[in-house]
Amino acid sequence: EVQLVESGGGLVQPGGSLRLSCAASGLTLSSYWMHWVRQAPGKGLMWVSRISLDGYKTNYADSVKGRFTVSKDNAKNTMYLQMDSLRAEDTAVYYCTGESPGDRVDFGYWGQGTLVTVSS
Amino acid sequence: QSALTQPRSVSGSPGQSVTISCTGTSSDVGGYNFVSWYQHYPGKAPKLMIYDVNKRPSGVPDRFSASKTGNTASLTISGLQAEDEADYFCCSYAGSYSLVVFGGGTKVTVL
Repeated sequence: EVQLVESGGGLVQPGGSLRLSCAASGLTLSSYWMHWVRQAPGKGLMWVSRISLDGYKTNYADSVKGRFTVSKDNAKNTMYLQMDSLRAEDTAVYYCTGESPGDRVDFGYWGQGTLVTVSS
Repeated sequence: QSALTQPRSVSGSPGQSVTISCTGTSSDVGGYNFVSWYQHYPGKAPKLMIYDVNKRPSGVPDRFSASKTGNTASLTISGLQAEDEADYFCCSYAGSYSLVVFGGGTKVTVL
């Protein structure tokens, strides 16, 4: 059974930093493009970032570019999201998700999410 | 405001059918056959229900079907059951820069 477990969320002041982790079991991160998706309170989902199978290619939404950094440690089967210069509008539940294999663009694997609250 | 527009809620009685629309533009829904749908119970991990516009992953009941016309995709739940009460959101590929866009989500209520 595939499990993605996010951790690292919490309350942080504006301008602060937080690092989220996504630990995978039953799924080898080195075989999947992995993404972070977030959902602000009362809002829809928003794609945040992705990282390639080998971890060398990354992409970001414009709203987080230059502030967030995605990485993965394939040996630990864990993905990370380093979030710096946090803003109130970054408050959201952050989901770790794995892209389905093959010539598809959908997300077959999801974690339960971790809540990040940016507030003074 | 989400990139894809979904109704905030739909409802139906057990056994009835409900349809959720997902409206985008020619740059996302209308431009690619990469629309997916997800079922989400609050506090749980979302679950892929439909991919590539109308394909069901193994294990998803055939009560769930989907289609696309122009810039609007639709998810239909036939023979509504109590366990179908959840949030549903759509997603579409939007090109190599934006990558993917999501809908705002629709709450399905079984009366």
